[in-house]
Amino acid sequence: KAGVTQTPRYLIKTRGQQVTLSCSPISGHRSVSWYQQTPGQGLQFLFEYFSETQRNKGNFPGRFSGRQFSNSRSEMNVSTLELGDSALYLCASSLTGIVEQYFGPGTRLTVT
Amino acid sequence: AQKVTQAQTEISVVEKEDVTLDCVYETRDTTYYLFWYKQPPSGELVFLIRRNSFDEQNEISGRYSWNFQKSTSSFNFTITASQVVDSAVYFCALSAETSGSRLTFGEGTQLTVNP
Repeated sequence: KAGVTQTPRYLIKTRGQQVTLSCSPISGHRSVSWYQQTPGQGLQFLFEYFSETQRNKGNFPGRFSGRQFSNSRSEMNVSTLELGDSALYLCASSLTGIVEQYFGPGTRLTVT
Repeated sequence: AQKVTQAQTEISVVEKEDVTLDCVYETRDTTYYLFWYKQPPSGELVFLIRRNSFDEQNEISGRYSWNFQKSTSSFNFTITASQVVDSAVYFCALSAETSGSRLTFGEGTQLTVNP
């Protein structure tokens, strides 16, 4: 079975721009979660989507949003980018969300 | 709220040594799940194990073993006869019934195995 894929792998954006990251979960997995990893804050939960509905949300500003499509693929959008948004964004898929989550390779976003 | 503490920021060992990575957790939930993930330099988090709060049985998988003790809220991970390929950052994580799918991660332990 193919693993979790994320595109693009690397991205460089300028402050004030917006960005969209994509995640394709493992086939059959309906839960997709997003995490932000930075050296200062570590791994932090952004949100989870299950069957096209946001089911869980972390403590991030409204500039961070996401959605999930009927094929379980998910996108994450960050608007009005700030320097502090530079991070590795990891997507994880799971059958139900409660059990183990399998992570993709991540998208490394650099904001200049 | 959930919390995971990995007190060891960095550990350096010589190949073939045994090494234990510590993890202490906090939660008020009675139903929760504990995880260990490995993050090699490539960045992808690799799932290693999940433990349920109602199952304290220790587990061994090859050179890896896990010691879950509810009495001390600890879920330690031991690598026996370490190898250079074990070098990575290891994360302990927790999800609880009231927080659903949200994984709360520890700060991670950077393990370096030297030849």
